[in-house]
Amino acid sequence: GAGVSQSPSNKVTEKGKDVELRCDPISGHTALYWYRQSLGQGLEFLIYFQGNSAPDKSGLPSDRFSAERTGGSVSTLTIQRTQQEDSAVYLCASSLSGTGPDTQYFGPGTRLTVL
Amino acid sequence: GIQVEQSPPDLILQEGANSTLRCNFSDSVNNLQWFHQNPWGQLINLFYIPSGTKQNGRLSATTVATERYSLLYISSSQTTDSGVYFCAISTGGGNKLTFGTGTQLKVEL
Repeated sequence: GAGVSQSPSNKVTEKGKDVELRCDPISGHTALYWYRQSLGQGLEFLIYFQGNSAPDKSGLPSDRFSAERTGGSVSTLTIQRTQQEDSAVYLCASSLSGTGPDTQYFGPGTRLTVL
Repeated sequence: GIQVEQSPPDLILQEGANSTLRCNFSDSVNNLQWFHQNPWGQLINLFYIPSGTKQNGRLSATTVATERYSLLYISSSQTTDSGVYFCAISTGGGNKLTFGTGTQLKVEL
């Protein structure tokens, strides 16, 4: 596709349930990033994949959060045992190389509400 | 950690007015981007500008890396310019972005 796509656009879940959020990066982009935007914390980095390198997980807030990227393309962010503080918009971005001069392009986000 | 400060936090303009948004950062950068988040939440890339000056239509940006600040200029503002403007930077070897808290802009008729 022309841009980064994410699904679902909205997700409502009950506390304690697991959720999976999907990101399709721009074709040919080797770097993929997850961020989240919440009222209290603003926009914050979660995890970063670049090519076949080990992902940078330094922004994940707890071990309930994990992400994988299959075949160097699609990524899934999984949140286990969701808590109300996980409610936020989860944004995915991709970029051509992930190093050096490089522009990140963002998807429309998934709005997660934990009841 | 890296600090990214944006000013002003809020700005109201009459259509046709010009404005300058500022981003101060605490470390040397290898990536600096300006984004516009529209009322539907979409983050739109405006400029990749770790140094120097760029222009795109009514928008322009300047980054003075040695003095650790960047400016976004909006000229002849329109109601469609409303939204939140974010500055984001990365330092070191990776490109993970640290975002400022944004400038909320409202352009009125």
